[in-house]
Amino acid sequence: AQRVTQPEKLLSVFKGAPVELKCNYSYSGSPELFWYVQYSRQRLQLLLRHISRESIKGFTADLNKGETSFHLKKPFAQEEDSAMYYCALNQGGSARQLTFGSGTQLTVLP
Amino acid sequence: KAGVTQTPRYLIKTRGQQVTLSCSPISGHRSVSWYQQTPGQGLQFLFEYFSETQRNKGNFPGRFSGRQFSNSRSEMNVSTLELGDSALYLCASSFSGGRSYEQYFGPGTRLTVT
Repeated sequence: AQRVTQPEKLLSVFKGAPVELKCNYSYSGSPELFWYVQYSRQRLQLLLRHISRESIKGFTADLNKGETSFHLKKPFAQEEDSAMYYCALNQGGSARQLTFGSGTQLTVLP
Repeated sequence: KAGVTQTPRYLIKTRGQQVTLSCSPISGHRSVSWYQQTPGQGLQFLFEYFSETQRNKGNFPGRFSGRQFSNSRSEMNVSTLELGDSALYLCASSFSGGRSYEQYFGPGTRLTVT
């Protein structure tokens, strides 16, 4: 069975500092990995997907199949980045069945 | 495009009752998935419907059921409510074609069971 682990429940960094949110997964096949973000009082929304290899709001994430990781990184954190971040895995194929990590609450301090 | 909508937004029920939640997907989206979010268990997949058929199912008891209509709108039903069913229920829709697995989430229905 697939599993997604986010080891940090809470993470605080100062504005302008680099930030890395960790995500590890276990899945025997070829998964699709995502980062979702939930800002205060807003709905859950997609931030990044590994297949796109894009940078959104300065965030990037690289899928490392050897380490089964999909860490989210940003070189210079901004206060508006404060939010709850979820790493999620979709087992691929026609499935629309996301397995979520427990989430990391990121706080960017002024 | 209008986003995913869910009704009602808040609901209070008593143990033993049943409840029906509704989800209207983004126009053109044929896949609707349901998730339960609780502080203890986090976000957990309930089931997914595509073209009026349940395509995937999570590890929840049979008290949790759903259906999808021809216009892709979906409902989920929970019978014989238990206190532990108190949660935020999220619905997500996605386009079924190509390799787009992006799911768009609704605001959720907050269910409180007393």
